[in-house]
Amino acid sequence: DARVTQTPRHKVTEMGQEVTMRCQPILGHNTVFWYRQTMMQGLELLAYFRNRAPLDDSGMPKDRFSAEMPDATLATLKIQPSEPRDSAVYFCASGLGGGYSTEAFFGQGTRLTVV
Amino acid sequence: RKEVEQDPGPFNVPEGATVAFNCTYSNSASQSFFWYRQDCRKEPKLLMSVYSSGNEDGRFTAQLNRASQYISLLIRDSKLSDSATYLCVAEKDDKIIFGKGTRLHILP
Repeated sequence: DARVTQTPRHKVTEMGQEVTMRCQPILGHNTVFWYRQTMMQGLELLAYFRNRAPLDDSGMPKDRFSAEMPDATLATLKIQPSEPRDSAVYFCASGLGGGYSTEAFFGQGTRLTVV
Repeated sequence: RKEVEQDPGPFNVPEGATVAFNCTYSNSASQSFFWYRQDCRKEPKLLMSVYSSGNEDGRFTAQLNRASQYISLLIRDSKLSDSATYLCVAEKDDKIIFGKGTRLHILP
């Protein structure tokens, strides 16, 4: 059963520390999304990639966040330095973009708490 | 202004009733539309796509009005298991934007 895998599932860190979240998209999917979900803002699109190239990262605070796809099986979202306001659930999703079905299949999320 | 806006609810509805949600989107160039469902502390999952002609999937009916830029979801004969948050989605060029969701509680 193909699924998007995210690690870690939970992360508690101190303010100022670096946080790296990882995502393994479904094999064969060419589009990868990073979302952040909070009660106040809902699901916010941070960045998305097609064929490993970033298409849009306008939703991401550039000074502390970075997103990359080192290869087709791994996407990373890094926060450095982390702040308490970054506490949220971070979802990775993948799909077949570029004119195919744009259904996004989500991972189970990384619940980040910055203290 | 958010690109996709929904009434956050909650909607508290007795079992067996019919409930409808609306959603508006601001980007008139949006190409595709969807409803996703999210259970508490779980990831969102696709419920159904929304087509201009309207479409039905069992007890669920989705409608799209491009002129007014709104999307609707109707749930008939609601079940306890329908309790969840329903997320409205607009997509353009693979950029998938979610509304904040409408919470639905089905009451026994």
